[in-house]
Amino acid sequence: GAVVSQHPSRVICKSGTSVKIECRSLDFQATTMFWYRQFPKQSLMLMATSNEGSKATYEQGVEKDKFLINHASLTLSTLTVTSAHPEDSSFYICSASSEHGYTFGSGTRLTVV
Amino acid sequence: GENVEQHPSTLSVQEGDSAVIKCTYSDSASNYFPWYKQELGKRPQLIIDIRSNVGEKKDQRIAVTLNKTAKHFSLHITETQPEDSAVYFCAASRGRGGSNYKLTFGKGTLLTVNP
Repeated sequence: GAVVSQHPSRVICKSGTSVKIECRSLDFQATTMFWYRQFPKQSLMLMATSNEGSKATYEQGVEKDKFLINHASLTLSTLTVTSAHPEDSSFYICSASSEHGYTFGSGTRLTVV
Repeated sequence: GENVEQHPSTLSVQEGDSAVIKCTYSDSASNYFPWYKQELGKRPQLIIDIRSNVGEKKDQRIAVTLNKTAKHFSLHITETQPEDSAVYFCAASRGRGGSNYKLTFGKGTLLTVNP
């Protein structure tokens, strides 16, 4: 079946630094990649939608200059959290949209100290 | 945009009992309704889904019903087992995938099955 590989699974970074999260579709091409953020005991909140080769569309309230999304190919999308702060600590998860439906990555637990 | 409401937020049942989780949606153009099970720190796992051209779908102990007129859909789990304990999310979308149609999630239901 369709698999999305997400790395890293866990990352701890210092406040003010940047962190890059990668999602790769391993055996299919992802037309669209969705990026979600999930705080403890809450639901998945969509941050942005990206299509290969074009700029991402951000949801209201999500800072596009802080959460940089690159979707350079049909198999790779990245989310960079720039100048991370403790309030950015969360579970970040990608979801690839394709003819297989929605395929989720395994998530990245980001802790900013 | 789409708004998905989910109830209850927590549900505790005895092993062997049934569990029902209900969701409503607002976008009449939504036609795909998946249910996900999420264990702590893990990705959401699709357990069943339904499209708007059917009213009910069943897979062993799990069933989903859809009332498109009323814009609500429900998850039914029969003969619950302790391993069913998890957070369950409903979601709605205008399409199943392969497009820009985004999934909008409900707030989740923490299901606890007591042995």
